[in-house]
Amino acid sequence: AAGVIQSPRHLIKEKRETATLKCYPIPRHDTVYWYQQGPGQDPQFLISFYEKMQSDKGSIPDRFSAQQFSDYHSELNMSSLELGDSALYFCASSSRTGGVSEAFFGQGTRLTVV
Amino acid sequence: GQNIDQPTEMTATEGAIVQINCTYQTSGFNGLFWYQQHAGEAPTFLSYNVLDGLEEKGRFSSFLSRSKGYSYLLLKELQMKDSASYLCAVRLNTGFQKLVFGTGTRLLVSP
Repeated sequence: AAGVIQSPRHLIKEKRETATLKCYPIPRHDTVYWYQQGPGQDPQFLISFYEKMQSDKGSIPDRFSAQQFSDYHSELNMSSLELGDSALYFCASSSRTGGVSEAFFGQGTRLTVV
Repeated sequence: GQNIDQPTEMTATEGAIVQINCTYQTSGFNGLFWYQQHAGEAPTFLSYNVLDGLEEKGRFSSFLSRSKGYSYLLLKELQMKDSASYLCAVRLNTGFQKLVFGTGTRLLVSP
């Protein structure tokens, strides 16, 4: 079965650079979530989209922005990168139809800022 | 704010049973999820409770008491591969039902 696909899997950037992370949700899933997970920490919710509209916003810095495109893929844009942005970034998708509608996670993008 | 608490670490031996507790205080509730996460990997879905009671799935069971804001994940017949972090997550019924994760419990299974 198709899963959530994230790219790239690994990314190394220097301070003050810009990074773009991509997420391709499971087909027919209508909701995409972005989470940030620092070393030894639980995933922190950043932002979500429902049917290509921003639906909820968490602890996302102003330097970050995200959008969902017509094909439902989503991109997280991160500017003026800081050392503290080094983390695993997970994208998850779910469907609001059906019973459980658990979130399925992609493999994540490991961002290292040097 | 949202508050979801779990023990930080637990240890158990192969073949044993372990119970991982989760307490929550959230602004809204629309289900509780348990995820397993191996280091550096994506969380994978284990179980889901929205009504009070016990849900059983093979070696894993999850229990929910909404009035107490309490859930637990029960793992039976522990295997070495069960060594992982276990995340409790509450789905809110506000907005578009985002998941809020607990602090995670790192389980170490020893021979």
